[in-house]
Amino acid sequence: ETGVTQTPRHLVMGMTNKKSLKCEQHLGHNAMYWYKQSAKKPLELMFVYNFKEQTENNSVPSRFSPECPNSSHLFLHLHTLQPEDSALYLCASQGNNEKLFFGSGTQLSVL
Amino acid sequence: SQQGEEDPQALSIQEGENATMNCSYKTSINNLQWYRQNSGRGLVHLILIRSNEREKHSGRLRVTLDTSKKSSSLLITASRAADTASYFCATDARGGSEKLVFGKGTKLTVNP
Repeated sequence: ETGVTQTPRHLVMGMTNKKSLKCEQHLGHNAMYWYKQSAKKPLELMFVYNFKEQTENNSVPSRFSPECPNSSHLFLHLHTLQPEDSALYLCASQGNNEKLFFGSGTQLSVL
Repeated sequence: SQQGEEDPQALSIQEGENATMNCSYKTSINNLQWYRQNSGRGLVHLILIRSNEREKHSGRLRVTLDTSKKSSSLLITASRAADTASYFCATDARGGSEKLVFGKGTKLTVNP
């Protein structure tokens, strides 16, 4: 248990659906991240939030929309996704000691 | 890119043997971290080594860092079946955005 909780664990959606991924941490960390992990590819950084402000958008398509209402919660809103967006989406938080604490991820399948 | 590259991509050993995984990177770093991931789960932090350190231990883990060669190694001694996982190195660039960049990982299988 890392202290970072992601829901749902699994999600299947059609290309016209709208869904949201949720991440929650109560570690007192101020930085939160979204990563995408596809098969046989390195972990891809998508977004970084620091003190609720977005500090990094790694050229992510607009069909992915992050939201960080407070330092403990992070959302990833999904709409009109493509089959190639199927992947494991990982949330992580970071405190002052530079280590990342990851959630268990949401395994997303886009049909 | 300062992406870390792990080597080998896959490693299969018997329980009790030692496992060594290597990581190479391209630019100067502040620190290098190793993470472990069980299949379909999140990554778990194992150890962080700073650019001014050469070796670090944590239980059965030993990490070395050679900044002149821009490489690091992770040694797991007396491996167990429960060590079966993928192992990733991550680096943050000195003077850069300080975001961590991960390699593709080494998939370790420890056979009982």
